[in-house]
Amino acid sequence: DQQVKQNSPSLSVQEGRISILNCDYTNSMFDYFLWYKKYPAEGPTFLISISSIKDKNEDGRFTVFLNKSAKHLSLHIVPSQPGDSAVYFCAASARGSQGNLIFGKGTKLSVKP
Amino acid sequence: EAGVVQSPRYKIIEKKQPVAFWCNPISGHNTLYWYLQNLGQGPELLIRYENEEAVDDSQLPKDRFSAERLKGVDSTLKIQPAELGDSAVYLCASSFGLRTEAFFGQGTRLTVV
Repeated sequence: DQQVKQNSPSLSVQEGRISILNCDYTNSMFDYFLWYKKYPAEGPTFLISISSIKDKNEDGRFTVFLNKSAKHLSLHIVPSQPGDSAVYFCAASARGSQGNLIFGKGTKLSVKP
Repeated sequence: EAGVVQSPRYKIIEKKQPVAFWCNPISGHNTLYWYLQNLGQGPELLIRYENEEAVDDSQLPKDRFSAERLKGVDSTLKIQPAELGDSAVYLCASSFGLRTEAFFGQGTRLTVV
């Protein structure tokens, strides 16, 4: 049973426009969420995180929104650039001694010039 | 500052042969993870270390997989004997404790033929 779901395998966006990547989770114990970006033949790179005590966190062009009641988070990239083309993974961590990062399957973003 | 270093980058072996992967985490990171990533999937945790102690190995197939983290720094992951289904990317990551962002190495792509 997947606890972190990224239902869109791919997304295509025009350069300069907004990219919105979505993530849903099922485990109500998750309280720390992260987004990673992955280029081919490289390991995932940390992008941005958010704790459940917040509903928004912003870092430059990247903003993560958290809707706890809907168990949903999203990553907004504005404006999108061709270099943002990569696979984006959503990850979540639960309270307690486990706290391991649980990843979604990823969404492949293509930003077209 | 050097990132997480993994070797080798690529490995091709015949089934039933042994194979080992090595990871050097970021200096000072006490938490070390080994993840498995299959094509089109997100990373899945195999084992997590806090210093030299394996605190979560519930997802490690112990009949053929083993891991160690000597002196709480470098770590090795071994498969013996390898099976065709073990073909995947093996990722090592480290962090300052649990529930902080983890930094990943470039991974080792294993092909079992």
